[in-house]
Amino acid sequence: EVQLVESGGSLVQPGGSLRLSCGASGFTFSTFWMNWVRQAPGKGLEWVANIKYDGSAKSYVDSVRGRFTISRDNAKNSLYLQMNSLSAEDTALYYCARDISASGGLDCWGQGTLVIVSS
Amino acid sequence: QSALTQPASVSGSPGQSITISCTGTSSDVGGYNYVSWYQQHPGKAPKLLIYDVTNRPSGVSDRFSGSKSGNTASLTISGLQAEDEADYYCTSYRSTSPPLYVFGTGTKVTVL
Repeated sequence: EVQLVESGGSLVQPGGSLRLSCGASGFTFSTFWMNWVRQAPGKGLEWVANIKYDGSAKSYVDSVRGRFTISRDNAKNSLYLQMNSLSAEDTALYYCARDISASGGLDCWGQGTLVIVSS
Repeated sequence: QSALTQPASVSGSPGQSITISCTGTSSDVGGYNYVSWYQQHPGKAPKLLIYDVTNRPSGVSDRFSGSKSGNTASLTISGLQAEDEADYYCTSYRSTSPPLYVFGTGTKVTVL
């Protein structure tokens, strides 16, 4: 069974840092682009970042570029999101998702991990 | 980055067909066949319905179909059913530097 499981979300103070992880199973992780997508409470979906299957290319939404870093370890079937300089606007449920088409078709999603930025 | 524009809500009766629009620009929806559609029920992760404008992943009902004309993509739900009541989002590749993806504003579908 194809599965993604996120972890690492928690309550963090403004200006703080957090590292999210996403463990993959049931498919050949090293052959898929992977993404992070977030959803603020009661709001819509926002694409955050993606990374090529070999880690050689990465993209970010403007609001996180320079603060967040996406990475992957194909040997561990894991995706990461290092988040620095967090602000209240980063409060959201963070999903990792697999891109089936290398063109934004995200066919497998985790259950999400909640990040709350508050003092 | 600005989101793609979707109607806030669409409604229909069981058995009817409804269409949700997703309007962008020539830098995203109009310029590439990289539009996807997602369904999200409350408290659940999104589910992929359509990718690359018209393609349905395995297991998705053929009641869901996608199309595109100019800068506007559309999702049509035929034979509307009670379980189709959910939020729907489009997304598109956008040719900024570096390139990225952008979601639509979301549409709440209500089955009357």
